[in-house]
Amino acid sequence: EVELVESGGGLVEPGGSLRLTCVVSGITFRNAWMSWVRQAPGKGLEWVGRIKSKTSGGTTDYAAPVKGRFTISRDDSRDTLFLQMDSLKVEDSAVYYCTTGPGGKGYWGQGTLVTVSS
Amino acid sequence: QSVLTQPPSVSGAPGQRVTISCTGSSSNIGAGYDVHWYQQVPGTAPKLLIYANNNRPSGVPDRFSGSTSGTSASLAINGLQAEDEADYYCQSSDSGLSGWVFGGGTKLTVL
Repeated sequence: EVELVESGGGLVEPGGSLRLTCVVSGITFRNAWMSWVRQAPGKGLEWVGRIKSKTSGGTTDYAAPVKGRFTISRDDSRDTLFLQMDSLKVEDSAVYYCTTGPGGKGYWGQGTLVTVSS
Repeated sequence: QSVLTQPPSVSGAPGQRVTISCTGSSSNIGAGYDVHWYQQVPGTAPKLLIYANNNRPSGVPDRFSGSTSGTSASLAINGLQAEDEADYYCQSSDSGLSGWVFGGGTKLTVL
């Protein structure tokens, strides 16, 4: 059974940092291109960014609103994906999902809630 | 403002057919990027419903189908059931944005 489990969400003040983790099981993680998608309360889905597999270069791409503030990384030895979020803004408040994407059979985690508020 | 445009809501009676449109541009759907569709019941994670324009993952009923034409895509649901009531999102890629783009979502109400 495939499972993606996010953690690390919580309440943080504007300007603060948070690191989200997504532990993946049931697939060959090192071959997977992984993405983060977020959903603000009552709003639609928004792509945050992606990291390719190391065999595909391991490069990252980011959505404009988070570029320069968020960093996606991976540890293939631990089947784990990370999202480092710095200089957080109120508008970054959302449920954050990790996903293999439609090319990877479309597996999603259950999400972790990030609230940015003073 | 989403890059892909969907109607905010659609509705239909049980047994009917409904379609949800997804309008893009020459830098995403019109450029030939695949379109994918997700179903999301509020409070839960999105579920992949259609991938690569018209393919269903294992376990998705054949009542659901996708199509594309030019800069648009559509999701059709035949034989509407109460359990289909959810939010539906289209997704593609965009050459100008170097990543995924989503539609704003469509709330399906089963009357």
